[in-house]
This record gives sequence, structure tokens and C-alpha cells, in this order.
Amino acid sequence: KAGVTQTPRYLIKTRGQQVTLSCSPISGHRSVSWYQQTPGQGLQFLFEYFSETQRNKGNFPGRFSGRQFSNSRSEMNVSTLELGDSALYLCASSLTRGTYYEQYFGPGTRLTVT
Amino acid sequence: KNQVEQSPQSLIILEGKNCTLQCNYTVSPFSNLRWYKQDTGRGPVSLTIMTFSENTKSNGRYTATLDADTKQSSLHITASQLSDSASYICVVTVNTNAGKSTFGDGTTLTVKP
Repeated sequence: KAGVTQTPRYLIKTRGQQVTLSCSPISGHRSVSWYQQTPGQGLQFLFEYFSETQRNKGNFPGRFSGRQFSNSRSEMNVSTLELGDSALYLCASSLTRGTYYEQYFGPGTRLTVT
Repeated sequence: KNQVEQSPQSLIILEGKNCTLQCNYTVSPFSNLRWYKQDTGRGPVSLTIMTFSENTKSNGRYTATLDADTKQSSLHITASQLSDSASYICVVTVNTNAGKSTFGDGTTLTVKP
């Protein structure tokens, strides 16, 4: 079974631009979460989508948005990029079976804002 | 406030030696605790997942323990290898909702020859 895939893997953008990142979850997983990871900050939760609906949202400004499609693929958009948005963006798909919960991460997209 | 604290922040050991990483949490109500290994620039990879009723889980040379009473977990690495050099992240989840997972800041392990 294929793992979580993220595209692109690396991206360089200029301050003020916008960017869209894509995530394809593991087949059968309906939940997709997005995280931002910067050096020394750990993983910061952005939002979670489940069956095309945003189920949870972290504490990020409105410049960060996302959506999920009917095939569970998800996109994350960041508008008006700032230098501080440079980070590794991780997508994770998860499966819940009764009380069992597992989360699998993709390889991440390294975004550099100059 | 739900918190997950990991110690030490970083650790350097010689190849072949054992080490133990700690995770203390205040997350409640507890659903499960996961340990991830993250290589530099890569996504985290799950090592173990433990629910309330489990107090030990092994995955090869990795053994995680959980004391739900004291809200402490440890990850023990046996006979370390150079490839064990990575960040190890402890994650505690409330119920089964991803939005309610609390991530530790990780322990950076460096294994030297």
C-alpha cells in the first residue's frame, strides 16, 4: 500500500507570493492533517480535514487555508508569504478503527521564502 | 493546559551503547501515546503506539514503556546504530481526534562511531 505522498518536495517562493501544497493520503484514510515544522519549534498543528470538512484548526493566521477533495486528497494554501513561513510542511493521514488510532506522515514539503 | 515534555533535549552516545529518552505529559483524557523517529528533513515515522492499558511495546531495538498513573513514557534504544541518529518525538492524543494531539519538542539523538 502506497504511503502518504506530498508534492512538491521542495519549493522556493518570494515574500508576498502565494503557494499551494498537495497531499495524497494512504488509500482508505479519510482524515488528513497538516503541520508546520520549523527548527526549534517542533510540529505545530495547522488543521485537519475529514470527509471534505475542516474538523479542527490550529492557531495560525487566516493566510493559511486548506481543503480536501472527495478522493481525500488535500491541498494547503498560504497567501501573502512571509519570511517566517519558511518551514517543513508535513501532511499526515490517519485511520481510526474503534478506539485504535494511527497517523502516518508524508515526507514533507520544504518551503523556503526569500 | 495539555503539555508534553521530552528530555533530554539532545543526547550524544557512542555506537553500540543503549539510551533512554523520556516523555512526561499532562494530556487528559488520555487516548494513546506514540513515539516517532524523524530523520533530518524527512517526515516522522511511527515507532510505537500505546493505549492506556499497555505498558510496554517493542519494535526491534526500540522499546517504549508507559506509566499511565504517573503520566510518563520512555523510549529505550538498545545497541544503538549510526542510523539511529534522528529526532524522537513523543505525541499524546486525546480521544482519536488529530486536532487534539499534543506533540513534544523532540529529543535529538546523535550516535557517534
